[in-house]
Order: sequence, then C-alpha cells, then structure tokens
Amino acid sequence: SAVISQKPSRDICQRGTSLTIQCQVDSQVTMMFWYRQQPGQSLTLIATANQGSEATYESGFVIDKFPISRPNLTFSTLTVSNMSPEDSSIYLCSVGDGRGQEGYTFGSGTRLTVV
Amino acid sequence: GEDVEQSLFLSVREGDSSVINCTYTDSSSTYLYWYKQEPGAGLQLLTYIFSNMDMKQDQRLTVLLNKKDKHLSLRIADTQTGDSAIYFCAERNTDKLIFGTGTRLQVFP
Repeated sequence: SAVISQKPSRDICQRGTSLTIQCQVDSQVTMMFWYRQQPGQSLTLIATANQGSEATYESGFVIDKFPISRPNLTFSTLTVSNMSPEDSSIYLCSVGDGRGQEGYTFGSGTRLTVV
Repeated sequence: GEDVEQSLFLSVREGDSSVINCTYTDSSSTYLYWYKQEPGAGLQLLTYIFSNMDMKQDQRLTVLLNKKDKHLSLRIADTQTGDSAIYFCAERNTDKLIFGTGTRLQVFP
C-alpha cells in the first residue's frame, strides 16, 4: 500500500491566520481525500482532491475556508484559512486506488490547535 | 441518510474475545472496513469485507456482515492489551468512506 508523508505533524496557530498542510505519497494514486477529526469525534470528509481541477467539497465545507490543491497524482495540500478555535482538530490525508478492496490509506495526521 | 453507528465503549479482560458492532444505513455500500486508531496515531486498516460476503476471517479477526439488517461486527479473539484503541467501521459510498462514531476498546489484565 502507499506510504503517506503528512506535514506538519502538529502546530499551534493564532486565530485569524492560515495553515497549509501537505500530503506527499510515494506512488501515484487515483483518489486523494482530506478528513477532519474533531476532539473525541469520528472522521468527517472535507473534500475529494481532484488532480488538475477544483476539489469536490462535502456539505458544510467550502473552498474559501478550506482551499485544496492537487497539482499531480502524488501531492496535495489543504489550507485551513482564517482559523478560529473551532478549527482545532486533527486533519488527515487519505489515498486510495479506487478498486476498494485494498481500503484507503491514511496519513498520520496534523494535530492543529488554534489559540 | 449516511449514518454509521457504533457503541462508544467496550471493556474486556485480556485473553477474552471482543465483539465490536456497527450498524449502517446505506444498502448500496460495496465494501465495509474496520480501522484501528491508537492514541496520537493515524488510522490503520485492519480488514475489509465485500458486500456480497457474510463472513471473513483474518488471523485473530473475524468480520460478520448481515446485509439484511445492515449490521457489521468485528470479533477479536484472545484480546491483548495492545488491542486497546478506538475502532472505526466505515462504509464505502461510491468512492468515499463514511465512518462510524468509533468504539473505544479497553483491555484490562
């Protein structure tokens, strides 16, 4: 399965600022996703990162708040913009080959604290 | 809707079997997965089952799927302290994974 490098692993940010999280994969992958895991909660899908085009956002998430880039099949970024304490969460990158039976691989996550 | 429900907590004695349950609502799901999350770590895929199967065994893990009742379970045989973690079931809806609420498994000596 693919190996994911996600950076940074954690950060403490001031409210009103933005943070960009990087997801680098060691092989070309069809599918890339970004998830949010709020404290003590399950994972919620933010968006599907599409190579060469705009990301597909889930209900409740918008591009202005969470702009996503995916310039190629091995790399994606998620930016958390104009942060507030409610954005404190773990953000996870996930990749898959689209065939399903191998499941989706997750990065180790970025633990974000907004103060 | 796409709600995937799990019980919040499970506590078992070391050496006993653990059974973690999951109910889902999307009958069109093609694959169902079990993931493990240890404290401060990402998600580790444990096993999966295709929707036309009713059972899958993988070493200490047994997955049972009741498609009629939309019920999925994960049985861990001979549970060890290293199995203590949060377990998430997930259903695949087209290309997206919808995660359950998570079950915290605590194993005591």
